[in-house]
This record gives sequence, structure tokens and C-alpha cells, in this order.
Amino acid sequence: QLVQSGAEVKKPGASVKIPCKASGNTFTRHYIHWVRQAPGQGLEWMGVINPSGGSTSYAHKFQGRATMTRDTSTSTVYMELSSLRSEDTAVYYCASGDDWLSHMFYWGQGTLVTVSS
Amino acid sequence: AIQLTQSPSSLSASVGDRVTITCRASQGASSALAWYQQKPGKAPKLLIYDASSLEIGVPSRFSGSGSGTDFTLTINNLQPEDFATYYCQQYNGFPLSFGGGTNVEIK
Repeated sequence: QLVQSGAEVKKPGASVKIPCKASGNTFTRHYIHWVRQAPGQGLEWMGVINPSGGSTSYAHKFQGRATMTRDTSTSTVYMELSSLRSEDTAVYYCASGDDWLSHMFYWGQGTLVTVSS
Repeated sequence: AIQLTQSPSSLSASVGDRVTITCRASQGASSALAWYQQKPGKAPKLLIYDASSLEIGVPSRFSGSGSGTDFTLTINNLQPEDFATYYCQQYNGFPLSFGGGTNVEIK
């Protein structure tokens, strides 16, 4: 299972760091993808992290602004997004995949991030 | 980057109908295509992967077909719990991408 934190409210220009905790013994076996969904909009892939070694790949749009990390001691992956603007208001999902290029077979419940002054 | 175009963007159907949703890729995606179902306020749920493989636990009324640039999701004998939004996703190359979604509504 993937468990995400509750909703966050941030001001423009701030950063948000969203945790995604994996339960069970599969933390280092599955890649974690991050996908976001703006209100009433479709799904947007942000990037992926390999929890085993910590290597990452980001969508061009988020390079330099998104940082995905992991803490193997707590089986938690984090996605930090900086320089927040109103357009970043969205539900952020973490999801498990078998590889860098993969479908996503299990999803967290999502974290709503609201960016507002 | 591979862009995915779903059609229609929305449709109205009745319980028991057969529904077909298409997903067209801007360049070849081989068979690296998945379909998801999303209900309001919920995370997406994987239905089909590798274009035609049914995820464990998904009813057999759902099926997928296609390869390359043209893909189809078919729902036979539409059930009340199937009214939702459906997305396709390609994983043939970076960046991974999703179609714009198809909203299946009750007629």
C-alpha cells in the first residue's frame, strides 16, 4: 500500500514536500511515479524515482523545480515542488510501477495541495 | 514526446450497453499502453496494461486491444459502477503521458 499525507495549503513562492509511505517489504522493488491532477483536469506525469538506488527521471516541465527523494529507513518517498504558483494547485498522487517505463498498478490516495495567497 | 488523443471526450450510455473508447498515439507506442478508471474524489485504478492484459480483479467485461498508434478500450454490458472517467497512458518512452480522459455518463 501507498499512504500519502493530508492536504496542504501553501503561499505562492513556497515549497511543499509530500510523503508517500510504502507498507510491506516491497519498498525497494517497485519504482514510484508521481502524477498530479489539477481541479477538473486530466492526469499529468511528473517523474519517477527508483527507491532502491534513489535515481530519478523527471518530466521536462518539472526539471529544476521538482525533487524526488527516498528514505529507506522509513520506506518513504518524498516529492518536493518548489517556487509554487497557483497553477500548481492539484491533487498529487504517488503510484507504483515495475520499471522506469511502466504502467502504475497501485496508487496512493492523493494529497491536495492548494497554492493561494 | 508521445501525445495521446482520446475520443470521445464524453459519452452517454445505458446500463447493458457496449462502450468503446479509442486512444490514438502521435507516434508508435508498441503495446506499452494502459487504461485506468477514475471515479470522483478517488485515485485512478488500473484496468488494462500492455494494451490487452486484464489486471487481476478487474471484471472480464473490460477488454483492451491495439498496438502501435491505435488502441481501444471496450466495456461490454455496462454496469452502474462503470460510470466514471477513463484514461489511457503510454509507457513506451519518456515522458510518460496520459490521454485527456473520457467521461462515461448515464443516459
